[in-house]
Amino acid sequence: GAVVSQHPSWVICKSGTSVKIECRSLDFQATTMFWYRQFPKQSLMLMATSNEGSKATYEQGVEKDKFLINHASLTLSTLTVTSAHPEDSSFYICSAGGTGREGYNEQFFGPGTRLTVL
Amino acid sequence: DAKTTQPPSMDCAEGRAANLPCNHSTISGNEYVYWYRQIHSQGPQYIIHGLKNNETNEMASLIITEDRKSSTLILPHATLRDTAVYYCIVSSGGSNYKLTFGKGTLLTVNP
Repeated sequence: GAVVSQHPSWVICKSGTSVKIECRSLDFQATTMFWYRQFPKQSLMLMATSNEGSKATYEQGVEKDKFLINHASLTLSTLTVTSAHPEDSSFYICSAGGTGREGYNEQFFGPGTRLTVL
Repeated sequence: DAKTTQPPSMDCAEGRAANLPCNHSTISGNEYVYWYRQIHSQGPQYIIHGLKNNETNEMASLIITEDRKSSTLILPHATLRDTAVYYCIVSSGGSNYKLTFGKGTLLTVNP
């Protein structure tokens, strides 16, 4: 299967600072990437859908000005948590869909980024 | 996308088959059944998907009932490394369509 990486794998920051998380598809082109958030003992919640070259589509209740998403190329999407607060501490996971290569009918997930805001 | 219902937890002995059920009674004709799993503190891993025929790959088998209202994921010889939360998801849009995760089933494989 295809490989999706995330960087960093974990980050600790002070309240009020901004944090950028990168999601890369390493061996395939991803026209669409998805960002999820997962709190402890809960399931994944979709935050936004990121399409290459266009604005992201945010799920209801997700602040687009707080969670900035950029999908500038077919292999890279970034999520920036602006003015982070302790309640933003969570496990952030991205996934990528292929561009129709045979067999790629599934999404591939990154390993996740653990964000802790002090 | 149709909603799915899974038992919250299951246990299985190492080496035995693990059969994980999923109910998706409102599934529509163009919707696929996908299975993913998430090992603690990792990103989800794709396992298998199907439309109406049974499917098998190197990881698991997927049995879909004839009316497509339920399915069963089978891990033929469970190992301790198969301990994870297993998610059954119904989706119609292929790889570029958002997935809606439910609570899944926590499968614990015991030695």
